[in-house]
Amino acid sequence: DAGVIQSPRHEVTEMGQEVTLRCKPISGHDYLFWYRQTMMRGLELLIYFNNNVPIDDSGMPEDRFSAKMPNASFSTLKIQPSEPRDSAVYFCASSLQTTYGYTFGSGTRLTVV
Amino acid sequence: KQEVTQIPAALSVPEGENLVLNCSFTDSAIYNLQWFRQDPGKGLTSLLLIQSSQREQTSGRLNASLDKSSGRSTLYIAASQPGDSATYLCAVGISGNTPLVFGKGTRLSVIA
Repeated sequence: DAGVIQSPRHEVTEMGQEVTLRCKPISGHDYLFWYRQTMMRGLELLIYFNNNVPIDDSGMPEDRFSAKMPNASFSTLKIQPSEPRDSAVYFCASSLQTTYGYTFGSGTRLTVV
Repeated sequence: KQEVTQIPAALSVPEGENLVLNCSFTDSAIYNLQWFRQDPGKGLTSLLLIQSSQREQTSGRLNASLDKSSGRSTLYIAASQPGDSATYLCAVGISGNTPLVFGKGTRLSVIA
């Protein structure tokens, strides 16, 4: 298995633009997590899915953020409109359980100017 | 709300030194605790998993201990090497069906 695949690796966009981050989890993993990492706040859980269904989105900072998982092999995190404070590294992870066995992708470094 | 703290935020040691990284958590009712490693520009890789009923786990030069009653865990790295340079994150599993809560990590530099 190629692991968890995220795209793009880097994204630079202007304030106000729509940004879409993509994730392909490991086949067979029931859980998918989106995390955001910054120096100030560390690694924060944004949302997670179980069998393609969103379970907890309380970590999504604002209505500008939305996430979908249309099937077991694909998920997106969308920010519309983007703001400079959204600049961070966004990680996707998948697992068979919620409490162990996480496999992380390499992340998307988002810069909003 | 469970909070996980790692001190120090950064640490620099000479090669060959034994070192300890610290992790503390506010709620002792945890399901498990894990240590991860993150290399620059990469995702996280799991190093050690300690279940709530266990006191420690070992993997090679790494040893992680857990003291639930005091809300603490330590990661001991023996005979450190430059290749150990990375950020080490501690994560707590709160229950069997809630995601991990992460600390901010300790950035370790091992100087040759």
